[in-house]
Amino acid sequence: AQTVTQSQPEMSVQEAETVTLSCTYDTSENNYYLFWYKQPPSRQMILVIRQEAYKQQNATENRFSVNFQKAAKSFSLKISDSQLGDTAMYFCAFMEWEGSQGNLIFGKGTKLSVKP
Amino acid sequence: DSGVTQTPKHLITATGQRVTLRCSPRSGDLSVYWYQQSLDQGLQFLIQYYNGEERAKGNILERFSAQQFPDLHSELNLSSLELGDSALYFCASSVPTSGGATDTQYFGPGTRLTVL
Repeated sequence: AQTVTQSQPEMSVQEAETVTLSCTYDTSENNYYLFWYKQPPSRQMILVIRQEAYKQQNATENRFSVNFQKAAKSFSLKISDSQLGDTAMYFCAFMEWEGSQGNLIFGKGTKLSVKP
Repeated sequence: DSGVTQTPKHLITATGQRVTLRCSPRSGDLSVYWYQQSLDQGLQFLIQYYNGEERAKGNILERFSAQQFPDLHSELNLSSLELGDSALYFCASSVPTSGGATDTQYFGPGTRLTVL
């Protein structure tokens, strides 16, 4: 069974600085998706970024980028120029590429605080 | 706004009771997923429907059931409620791909269930 591990329960960063959140996963599949979701205090789950395992290029979305290391099964999220609005829980998630089951498997989350 | 709607936003009920949570997916999405978020269990997949048919089951209790209607909205029924069922229940939907629903999931705002 696939598992997702986020080893940093809490992190903090100063506004405008850069922070990296870690995620590792375990799977025997070769093709899959990886995601980062953000959950601010409003509790809404917001997609931050997505990576297809077959793509060697790391995904980027504005200030958010990932470092995807397939062999190491590592998928870290880098937030540049951190803003107060980035304060949230961040969840790493795994999903199989093929098959009819498309459910997400989540890590336990990292609580990020951006300090002014 | 993800385009996924969930009602009600909050629900307070007593042990032993039955409740129904409702979800409307984004326009065009055929797949609906239900997740439970609790403090001790984290985010857990419950069940997936694809175009009206059950597609996958996760850690869903026998007291819980779901269905997806012809208009693609879905309902999650929770019965014989226990204190431990208090949680945030999310619905997510995704764009269909050929043969399944392995694509990005967009989450609704959630229903917060409190069992007293």
